[in-house]
Amino acid sequence: SYELTQPPSVSVSPGQTARITCSGDALPKQYAYWYQQKPGQAPVLVIYKDSERPSGIPERFSGSSSGTTVTLTISGVQAEDEADYYCQSADSSGTSVVFGGGTKLTVL
Amino acid sequence: EVQLVESGGGLVQPGGSLRLSCAASGFTFSSYWMHWVRQAPGKGLVWVSRINSDGSSTSYADSVKGRFTISRDNAKNTLYLQMNSLRAEDTAVYYCARGVVATIGFYFDYWGQGTLVTVSS
Repeated sequence: SYELTQPPSVSVSPGQTARITCSGDALPKQYAYWYQQKPGQAPVLVIYKDSERPSGIPERFSGSSSGTTVTLTISGVQAEDEADYYCQSADSSGTSVVFGGGTKLTVL
Repeated sequence: EVQLVESGGGLVQPGGSLRLSCAASGFTFSSYWMHWVRQAPGKGLVWVSRINSDGSSTSYADSVKGRFTISRDNAKNTLYLQMNSLRAEDTAVYYCARGVVATIGFYFDYWGQGTLVTVSS
């Protein structure tokens, strides 16, 4: 079955830039989406179609794509950004929804 | 304001059944595909099932196929998940999510707060 691979954890100091990667063979053909999930809360969409930002999401959140890897970048990280982040995409046929394993962002 | 409110979770014995509901408001429910996504304690997100806007097409993850049934009542703006033959590994928070159909594939722009299902004797 198709898999998306994320690093389990990323740590960054406040004000620095955090980069969270997600790798998958079908990513050159499929859009990627990113969700933020804080403890005890539902996921929130922060990036859609690789790099688009929904209304209400701070500009410090951005997304990019290169080959089989997509990247969520958080510029000027704030304490409130500490959360789990999940990438999501589909297999090459577009029929199966797949989530990455999640990355815990720690703000030091 | 879009709102999705799940209910129906609880403790059930292995082999038992449970029906989850998701009440939608703040948008035209009948225009959207809807999904269930679950999250086992301390684990990641896993897609469970989807239903198209008029209820004529459904799809399931292999892990629940044949045991779970997704349905909707557009007159009541409500999504359902009937879960039968429950197993310990079905223990999770179950989220309903509004689906957006992209050029290829789809994603989830709004999520409910989730309802916890615990399968244990």
